[in-house]
Amino acid sequence: TQLLEQSPQFLSIQEGENLTVYCNSSSVFSSLQWYRQEPGEGPVLLVTVVTGGEVKKLKRLTFQFGDARKDSSLHITAAQPGDTGLYLCAGAPSGGYQKVTFGIGTKLQVIP
Amino acid sequence: ETGVTQSPTHLIKTRGQQVTLRCSSQSGHNTVSWYQQALGQGPQFIFQYYREEENGRGNFPPRFSGLQFPNYSSELNVNALELDDSALYLCASSLRGLGNTIYFGEGSWLTVV
Repeated sequence: TQLLEQSPQFLSIQEGENLTVYCNSSSVFSSLQWYRQEPGEGPVLLVTVVTGGEVKKLKRLTFQFGDARKDSSLHITAAQPGDTGLYLCAGAPSGGYQKVTFGIGTKLQVIP
Repeated sequence: ETGVTQSPTHLIKTRGQQVTLRCSSQSGHNTVSWYQQALGQGPQFIFQYYREEENGRGNFPPRFSGLQFPNYSSELNVNALELDDSALYLCASSLRGLGNTIYFGEGSWLTVV
């Protein structure tokens, strides 16, 4: 069973601060995705990373895939209240069917 | 808007009853996966269907079953409902292949009383 560990699980910060969320595993993934989920809704895809060492930017969000494709990070610059939500990382294993494994998520609260 | 639609959005069932949840996948996507998300947890993989056949299953008992139809829409059936089955059930569609992303529907909230 491939496990993804996310940290921290809870984060409460002031508007304007920076933060980093981590997603770690002992397994190699062919791709890794980050989602943001609002209460009562399904997860919404933010980004997919496929290549080891890959860095993708989405406005104030920066995503990095580890060189060994076992870990990833999400960095948010100058957080805003609209960034509040549950951030989930999900990894697809190498080969075979696409059983995507999710981390438990990081619940972020940005206080105005 | 992901193009994945699920129904019903909310429902309440009694312990021991059976439930069917439905999912219409994004156009062109041939793979459907179902996930269970309990409150405060990340989604847990139930199973996946590819071209109408089950193509992988998570750690869920046989009373969780599914179907995929020729148009790639899908159903999740749960028999003999238990209180712990109360959760958000998410359907995700994708196009099978390396690095292909899965897209989620809004989910179906099931409450078992």
